Amino acid sequence: GENVEQHPSTLSVQEGDSAVIKCTYSDSASNYFPWYKQELGKRPQLIIDIRSNVGEKKDQRIAVTLNKTAKHFSLHITETQPEDSAVYFCAASLFSGYSTLTFGKGTMLLVSP
Amino acid sequence: GAGVSQSPRYKVAKRGQDVALRCDPISGHVSLFWYQQALGQGPEFLTYFQNEAQLDKSGLPSDRFFAERPEGSVSTLKIQRTQQEDSAVYLCASSISGGAVYEQFFGPGTRLTVL
Repeated sequence: GENVEQHPSTLSVQEGDSAVIKCTYSDSASNYFPWYKQELGKRPQLIIDIRSNVGEKKDQRIAVTLNKTAKHFSLHITETQPEDSAVYFCAASLFSGYSTLTFGKGTMLLVSP
Repeated sequence: GAGVSQSPRYKVAKRGQDVALRCDPISGHVSLFWYQQALGQGPEFLTYFQNEAQLDKSGLPSDRFFAERPEGSVSTLKIQRTQQEDSAVYLCASSISGGAVYEQFFGPGTRLTVL
């Protein structure tokens, strides 16, 4: 089955800095890679996703890159703000039929004012 | 509109008790997933329903875990003879289609503590 590794487990940055979270996956058939943000005690919420037919996707301050050859993908947050503080999870799945998500262990991002 | 709801939000059980966790998906969503999230970990897949059909239960950790969705809407996850290792947050998610993957919308979870 799929295995997703996520690094780092914690990340502390100053407000305004950039943050990068990296994930690797094991199943070369995976072709859908969402990122979820989970604030303390709250539900995970999708913030951005990428499918394997593109190498990069941006949405305002958030971007995701994908390298299918190397089987890794990354989340980039620019101009971080304190409200970006949360746990971020990457996930991988197959974009066909029904497909369950395999999540990484999460990265706790702390943005200090 | 209303999102995915789960009840109870918190459940404390004594070891050996049975518990039932409820999930109300977004109306009209075909797909329903259950995940288990241990402290400090990512969600781990338990089981998947397409309408009332349980198509995948490969993630259920033991035969003490049982899930149902009899009318293709509300789902219940039941855990029999709870053990301490069952302590976790149980997340339910729904998505609009049972075909290609669409965004999974998560509920707030039920935090189960087994004493």
